[in-house]
Amino acid sequence: GQNIDQPTEMTATEGAIVQINCTYQTSGFNGLFWYQQHAGEAPTFLSYNVLDGLEEKGRFSSFLSRSKGYSYLLLKELQMKDSASYLCAVDQAGTALIFGKGTTLSVSS
Amino acid sequence: KAGVTQTPRYLIKTRGQQVTLSCSPISGHRSVSWYQQTPGQGLQFLFEYFSETQRNKGNFPGRFSGRQFSNSRSEMNVSTLELGDSALYLCASSLVSRQGGVYEQYFGPGTRLTVT
Repeated sequence: GQNIDQPTEMTATEGAIVQINCTYQTSGFNGLFWYQQHAGEAPTFLSYNVLDGLEEKGRFSSFLSRSKGYSYLLLKELQMKDSASYLCAVDQAGTALIFGKGTTLSVSS
Repeated sequence: KAGVTQTPRYLIKTRGQQVTLSCSPISGHRSVSWYQQTPGQGLQFLFEYFSETQRNKGNFPGRFSGRQFSNSRSEMNVSTLELGDSALYLCASSLVSRQGGVYEQYFGPGTRLTVT
């Protein structure tokens, strides 16, 4: 079957580092996306990993291990504006994009 | 550069009716994808169009259909509406298709459909 798992909720404080994990089991794999979605808004693209390893983009980094079916999104120097839902999505080869249910991150001061 | 636009933003329909939603991609983008988002199921892929051709399709019944015009604008149609079709319908555009390279999608604000 196809399954993408993420924690439902996470909390952290300003300035901290948080890691949001995503594990997947899909019938095909082209790559993995991370999106950020603030309440009432559309998702915005954060990263796309195709190869194993860590990709860094400012305060956000994304890691992929294809052999383990595992990815994480690392957010550094957390800010209040990082409070949002973070969606992990697998690009299945030739077919659909499969999304996880999302992780709601709450950042407090 | 203008973003992805979707019309209408809000819609209320009755069971059994049909509805057509519209999406205008970012200028120059040729790929348009449609998604359904509900609190229970999260974000689910409906289909992707590229250069007027459907390239990929998610696991939705045939009541959900779409098309893309030569100017890359896309429409999504849902026939014989059911209560469970109430959702936020999001459209996203990309410069390339999912087979064409790094696939950075830009989402529109969505159409909130309520079926009563």
